[in-house]
Amino acid sequence: QKEVEQNSGPLSVPEGAIASLNCTYSDRGSQSFFWYRQYSGKSPELIMSIYSNGDKEDGRFTAQLNKASQYVSLLIRDSQPSDSATYLCAVNSGGSNYKLTFGKGTLLTVNP
Amino acid sequence: NAGVTQTPKFQVLKTGQSMTLQCAQDMNHNSMYWYRQDPGMGLRLIYYSASEGTTDKGEVPNGYNVSRLNKREFSLRLESAAPSQTSVYFCASTLQDSNQPQHFGDGTRLSIL
Repeated sequence: QKEVEQNSGPLSVPEGAIASLNCTYSDRGSQSFFWYRQYSGKSPELIMSIYSNGDKEDGRFTAQLNKASQYVSLLIRDSQPSDSATYLCAVNSGGSNYKLTFGKGTLLTVNP
Repeated sequence: NAGVTQTPKFQVLKTGQSMTLQCAQDMNHNSMYWYRQDPGMGLRLIYYSASEGTTDKGEVPNGYNVSRLNKREFSLRLESAAPSQTSVYFCASTLQDSNQPQHFGDGTRLSIL
């Protein structure tokens, strides 16, 4: 059973701080990794993807991947109240069905 | 740029009734997926269609059937609805490429009384 684990939170940070969201996965053969943001009552929205070890930056978001430790993280710099949402980590383990395994999500609250 | 379109957005059923949730994508994606999302349970895969003409069970298929009508459309049917099927249902699609993300529809909020 392929598993993706996230701390459910809630994670509370003050406006302007760095929010750090973490994810671990069980399948060592996993190939691609995604972070989705989901506002309450809305559908998941892709915000970052990462495929190789290291950091990938996009604006205020940085995804970090360490395949040896089976660990993915998302950093949000200069957090804004509009970043308050649930963040879902998703992992593609390869294969011909292109399925993603999702974590249960971490609820982030950014306090003004 | 519609992306993934789900209908209806909301539905209330009585126990035992049947209904079909519709999903269509206009991104020329090969693979399509149906998930349900319940509080504290995350997204759980019900059924998927890796390519046109194929369908397979996911994690929680009991009580559901699917039809891949063509490359664009993938429907989910509840034959005899039960209160345990009250949930938010999401359809998603992707290209046949492990490096591609899934794109989600807006969801169907289904209540079964």
